[in-house]
Amino acid sequence: AQSVTQPDIHITVSEGASLELRCNYSYGATPYLFWYVQSPGQGLQLLLKYFSGDTLVQGIKGFEAEFKRSQSSFNLRKPSVHWSDAAEYFCAVASTDSWGKLQFGAGTQVVVTP
Amino acid sequence: DADVTQTPRNRITKTGKRIMLECSQTKGHDRMYWYRQDPGLGLRLIYYSFDVKDINKGEISDGYSVSRQAQAKFSLSLESAIPNQTALYFCATSVRQGSAGELFFGEGSRLTVL
Repeated sequence: AQSVTQPDIHITVSEGASLELRCNYSYGATPYLFWYVQSPGQGLQLLLKYFSGDTLVQGIKGFEAEFKRSQSSFNLRKPSVHWSDAAEYFCAVASTDSWGKLQFGAGTQVVVTP
Repeated sequence: DADVTQTPRNRITKTGKRIMLECSQTKGHDRMYWYRQDPGLGLRLIYYSFDVKDINKGEISDGYSVSRQAQAKFSLSLESAIPNQTALYFCATSVRQGSAGELFFGEGSRLTVL
């Protein structure tokens, strides 16, 4: 069965510093990978996705993620965080025969300090 | 107006009561989903529907039922609510193909069962 692990429950980062959120997945074939962000009181919004091709994926709000098959990872990065990046971030995986049936990680809460 | 609208946004009820959460969408998407979010567990799929005549159980369907009244409407019911159904519930939609896998979420319905 597919699964997603986000090892960090909570991360605190200073405004302007870089951010990296970890995501590891377990899946038999090449999965479809996603990062979603949930701002307080809001639903989830897609940041970026990986289906195939270039393993470095650019998303919205200045985020990028790198797919590393050998490490079963899909880590999210941002070079310089803004206070508005404070939110909860979810990694998710789907298989080719299950559009929309995403398996989500437990989430990483990001706190941005001045 | 939001593309995916959930009602009610907040509800407090008592054990044993029947509760319905409603979802409507103006995105014209065929596929609709109900997810449940619990702290530390991420989002888990309850039910999904790929069209009006297609309803499928997700990962945690016990204690829940759904109705797809029209392409734009998908309701989640708790026939006899229990305290461990206290959670944040999200409705989501997706297209059949194209931006495959991307889910569009409502703002959530917070349910508390006393």
